Amino acid sequence: LAKTTQPISMDSYEGQEVNITCSHNNIATNDYITWYQQFPSQGPRFIIQGYKTKVTNEVASLFIPADRKSSTLSLPRVSLSDTAVYYCLVLYGGSQGNLIFGKGTKLSVKP
Amino acid sequence: DTGVSQDPRHKITKRGQNVTFRCDPISEHNRLYWYRQTLGQGPEFLTYFQNEAQLEKSRLLSDRFSAERPKGSFSTLEIQRTEQGDSAMYLCASSFSSNLRFSEQYFGPGTRLTVT
Repeated sequence: LAKTTQPISMDSYEGQEVNITCSHNNIATNDYITWYQQFPSQGPRFIIQGYKTKVTNEVASLFIPADRKSSTLSLPRVSLSDTAVYYCLVLYGGSQGNLIFGKGTKLSVKP
Repeated sequence: DTGVSQDPRHKITKRGQNVTFRCDPISEHNRLYWYRQTLGQGPEFLTYFQNEAQLEKSRLLSDRFSAERPKGSFSTLEIQRTEQGDSAMYLCASSFSSNLRFSEQYFGPGTRLTVT
């Protein structure tokens, strides 16, 4: 059974680097990993997507080890406005019907 | 605003009534998705369209739920004979996909349904 697992919550302080890990044991060879950010009463917003090794954009990095059974979202130098819920999404087996979100990690950034 | 829009933003209905939600995707996007999200949970996939064709439906989607995307543009999600367990946020997302199996989805603000 495909499952996407992530920590329920994390705390951090402004200016620190935050790493959020997602486990996806049943990931297949060609499955992509995507991370989204969600604020209250809003739809999720795309952060980053990757397939293997490392991907970096202007807001985050995504690290995927060789076995691809987990992935880590890295947010450099977080600010108060990064307080949100972060979701890991995996498309399992190439089937759009197998889009599995994790339950989300609530990140609280303190001053 | 050229993002994904959903209407209404909030809906309160009595148990047993039918409700219909609308989603207008980003105009050039060929894929459209519906999700349901309950408090403290991640979005749960319901169904998806490629252009006007409904290609996949979640096994969790009961027969009371139906979705359409006529002409491959906007989409509607109808829930018949609503139950209190249908209370949730219903999210719509769209994406453009050519030969890639999966691409970035853009989400709308959601429709919050409360069944009393």
